[in-house]
Order: sequence, then C-alpha cells, then structure tokens
Amino acid sequence: GNSVTQMEGPVTLSEEAFLTINCTYTATGYPSLFWYVQYPGEGLQLLLKATKADDKGSNKGFEATYRKETTSFHLEKGSVQVSDSAVYFCALTPFGQSTSYDKVIFGPGTSLSVIP
Amino acid sequence: DGGITQSPKYLFRKEGQNVTLSCEQNLNHDAMYWYRQDPGQGLRLIYYSQIVNDFQKGDIAEGYSVSREKKESFPLTVTSAQKNPTAFYLCASSTTGYDGTEAFFGQGTRLTVV
Repeated sequence: GNSVTQMEGPVTLSEEAFLTINCTYTATGYPSLFWYVQYPGEGLQLLLKATKADDKGSNKGFEATYRKETTSFHLEKGSVQVSDSAVYFCALTPFGQSTSYDKVIFGPGTSLSVIP
Repeated sequence: DGGITQSPKYLFRKEGQNVTLSCEQNLNHDAMYWYRQDPGQGLRLIYYSQIVNDFQKGDIAEGYSVSREKKESFPLTVTSAQKNPTAFYLCASSTTGYDGTEAFFGQGTRLTVV
C-alpha cells in the first residue's frame, strides 16, 4: 500500500546550519507530494508541493525535489533560523486520485528545533 | 480574509460528557475533514465530508459524530463512547481537484479530559 516514511526527530540545529529532513514514499505511479509545517500550537500550513517527477517545490528558502528513481522528497534549507522551529510533515496523494484529503497520507512528522 | 476557524482553542471535558468542537470555513470549499493528532504522531482521519448532507467515516471514527448541514460548517462531537479523547483536533478543508490541491487547516482545539 501507500506510505510515507520520515526521518525520526527531534532534530536540533544551530542557527544558520544546513537542514535536510528525509522523506521517502511507497506508492504506485506518480503521486503528488507535499511538505506541511506546523508551528507550535497551530494547525498545518502547506510549505511546498510537487506534482510530477523532477519537479522542485520551493517556498521561504525551503526546497524539495521529486525524485522518482529514489522515491524521495527530501526537504532542504541552506540556512535555518530560530523561526523555522516547527514540526514538518511529508505527505502524498496517490496517483490518479483527486486530491481529496481522505486519500492524503501523512508521515509522522519531524520536529525541528533551531537554537541561537 | 478567507480561512478556517476552529473553536474553542482549549476544551475540558468531564468523564461521560459529550462535547462539540466547532469548525467554520469561508473558502467555499466542498470538502472538510477532522483529524486527531496525538503527541509525536501524525494525523489520523476521523471523518470527512465532500458535500453538504453527506459524510464518511475515516480511520478512527468510533466515539465521534459529525454533521454537515451547511457548506461552511462541519462540527465534531466527541461522545462519551470515545475512551481516550484527550488529543489535539484539527479541522481542514479543500477543493477536490486533481492538481495537488492544498488543504487549509484550522488552528486546532486541544481537548483534555478532567
């Protein structure tokens, strides 16, 4: 079946460090892939997305590239800030499905803490 | 501004009580969802609705009930049959296209049994 695996947290980085949060998926065909971010005490917000192989999603300095050959969608940022402290969720919509969120599969989330 | 609003932010429930969590959206979205989030875990789908007057059970519907009488509103009732209701509850809405549609989430309601 379809699934999403994320690196386990928590991840603690110093300000201005390079960030990578790994995400790999299992799915048939070409799912749509998402990264959502949840700041403390809040709901989730879409950070970026990619809908086909080799697409790169980017937003707020974060990037992720849809790699079909490695079934991965790793999140990266070149220089993190304290304000990036949050929980990051990787998610997918199965191929051929409308993006109705009853079909969306969320990973378990990776907690990031950035210290000054 | 368009958005999705949950209330209350914090809710306390006594054993054996039913409580209702509110969710309202003004995004004109057809689909609405309720998720439960436990510490260190991902989101689990409780109920969803793709159209007014219709809703479907998600993965963990037991002990919960919903209604969808208006497009804008999708309240969730946590009944006394839910044995472990303490959690963070998130409501979301979306369109239902094929283009990697974004879901919009509310700020969440933290429910605690006392």
